[in-house]
Amino acid sequence: DGGITQSPKYLFRKEGQNVTLSCEQNLNHDAMYWYRQDPGQGLRLIYYSQIVNDFQKGDIAEGYSVSREKKESFPLTVTSAQKNPTAFYLCASSHKPGTGLKDDTEAFFGQGTRLTVV
Amino acid sequence: LAKTTQPISMDSYEGQEVNITCSHNNIATNDYITWYQQFPSQGPRFIIQGYKTKVTNEVASLFIPADRKSSTLSLPRVSLSDTAVYYCLVGFVISSGSARQLTFGSGTQLTVLP
Repeated sequence: DGGITQSPKYLFRKEGQNVTLSCEQNLNHDAMYWYRQDPGQGLRLIYYSQIVNDFQKGDIAEGYSVSREKKESFPLTVTSAQKNPTAFYLCASSHKPGTGLKDDTEAFFGQGTRLTVV
Repeated sequence: LAKTTQPISMDSYEGQEVNITCSHNNIATNDYITWYQQFPSQGPRFIIQGYKTKVTNEVASLFIPADRKSSTLSLPRVSLSDTAVYYCLVGFVISSGSARQLTFGSGTQLTVLP
């Protein structure tokens, strides 16, 4: 089955520690995204990548880092510099925007990782 | 950066038709309009997508006027299980012109009452 997988589903972190959230897709999508969602709030874009070895900051990139070494993978590291990391994190993928494909704004989401700082 | 605007919340009763409108005044010529549904603690899922006029699938209809500055998601005969947050999404080109980010608004919390 094609899809996008995030792991782990739940993650606990001690203050001052870095943690890495995994996101893998087998949809052959060029574009991948990381969003953060706080309780009762919408999705806020952290980072996005349109192609391997390239990524751009979204609206709330401070305290986060990413890499895109493979097309299938886009891991997110929550660093100790992130002051309030407790949140629900969502990864998504889509076709590369601007390809002229009808579905270049149809993003597929993983089931999310709930990160809690203890 | 352009963004979408939706009502924060809406209430409805089972069996009624629900219409949720989204404003996107700065939509680009080549952008499609996509709507997503999100249940608590789950990732959003695709509902419907359109470019102009009307699109209908098995779960919803999407109405887009000629100027494309807004769109309306129509859910026929809602049930309790349709209680969720609904997001309107259009693709936006950032200033460099070379990349695009998918930006979500705050969404509309739809509550269906018995």
